[in-house]
Amino acid sequence: GAVVSQHPSRVICKSGTSVKIECRSLDFQATTMFWYRQFPKQSLMLMATSNEGSKATYEQGVEKDKFLINHASLTLSTLTVTSAHPEDSSFYICSARGQTNTEAFFGQGTRLTVV
Amino acid sequence: AQSVTQPDIHITVSEGASLELRCNYSYGATPYLFWYVQSPGQGLQLLLKYFSGDTLVQGIKGFEAEFKRSQSSFNLRKPSVHWSDAAEYFCAVGPANQAGTALIFGKGTTLSVSS
Repeated sequence: GAVVSQHPSRVICKSGTSVKIECRSLDFQATTMFWYRQFPKQSLMLMATSNEGSKATYEQGVEKDKFLINHASLTLSTLTVTSAHPEDSSFYICSARGQTNTEAFFGQGTRLTVV
Repeated sequence: AQSVTQPDIHITVSEGASLELRCNYSYGATPYLFWYVQSPGQGLQLLLKYFSGDTLVQGIKGFEAEFKRSQSSFNLRKPSVHWSDAAEYFCAVGPANQAGTALIFGKGTTLSVSS
């Protein structure tokens, strides 16, 4: 299957700082990318959907000014957590889907810890 | 409303015994169905998927799942569980032929394997 690379796998940042998470499709063009958040022992909750070259569509309750999503190319989407707070600590997972794909492929996830 | 229900939060199975994890879905459109496995702190690994055709699908690691449209179910099975199968299992549903729509995940079932 297609490969989606997510970086970093783990990051620790101080409260008030911003952190950027990258999601890359390595061997296909990702027309759509999805960002999920997973709390401990919980399921994956969709945060936003981004289409290349367009603004992301955020799910209800997700602050778009706090979770900045950029999908500037067909192989890269980034999620920037701005002014991070300890409650933003979570596991963030991206997935990517190409126009001809019947399924989305998942990155390895990023464990964010805000101290 | 679209949803995925995994009725069992936690299941413990003896090594070598058979396993069945339940999944029921409610979806308005023709669904694609998936089972993913997640080890602690890791991303998602696709076990198997159903798009169309034979309702019994084979996956990796000896897993299989059966799609029953009349029961809106997609239960995961394995005839003989290994200790390495201990993990979190997620059932997910997505729309057929709609690349821009994210998956809906169940809450997950934690599988423990006893010796």
